Amino acid sequence: EAGVVQSPRYKIIEKKQPVAFWCNPISGHNTLYWYRQNLGQGPELLIRYENEEAVDDSQLPKDRFSAERLKGVDSTLKIQPAELGDSAVYLCASSSTYARDYWEQYFGPGTRLTVT
Amino acid sequence: KNEVEQSPQNLTAQEGEFITINCSYSVGISALHWLQQHPGGGIVSLFMLSSGKKKHGRLIATINIQEKHSSLHITASHPRDSAVYICAVDTSGSRLTFGEGTQLTVNP
Repeated sequence: EAGVVQSPRYKIIEKKQPVAFWCNPISGHNTLYWYRQNLGQGPELLIRYENEEAVDDSQLPKDRFSAERLKGVDSTLKIQPAELGDSAVYLCASSSTYARDYWEQYFGPGTRLTVT
Repeated sequence: KNEVEQSPQNLTAQEGEFITINCSYSVGISALHWLQQHPGGGIVSLFMLSSGKKKHGRLIATINIQEKHSSLHITASHPRDSAVYICAVDTSGSRLTFGEGTQLTVNP
């Protein structure tokens, strides 16, 4: 079974440019998370989806960040315009509230964003 | 002050040593997670605890709810155990609050 897929793996952009990240969760997982991880720190939740509904987006900087999960499967996270401080690894994770291991989040490899 | 504090931040050990990583938290939780992150970003779940102790292979995790403290132990450490170990607490529903991680290096 394929794990959580993210693309691209690496992205370098200039400040003020837009950028988008894509995530395909594990098949059948209804919950999808986007995290941001700064160097030397733990991940911070940006947004959590239950199916297509964003149920926790309180930590998403809505002035420049947006996300969507239109059909309740894959998801896109966008930043427009990017700032230098957005340089980080953006992680996607998924889980299933119906599975025996409902508590376990499965992480993708992340997208490393560098804003110059 | 962070809600989740880990110690030490960095740990270097010789192969075969017994290793302990500590996690303290300041909020009410429904569960605590230990995760492992290898270079390149991949994160895998090791344990979820709500009480007591769990063991998987050479890894042991304990939690003391009253003291708001958890420990992750690695017995007979090996260079392949080198990674960042992250403690995370589940404070409300599915939201995890992560510690900053402990960088473990095990030398042969």
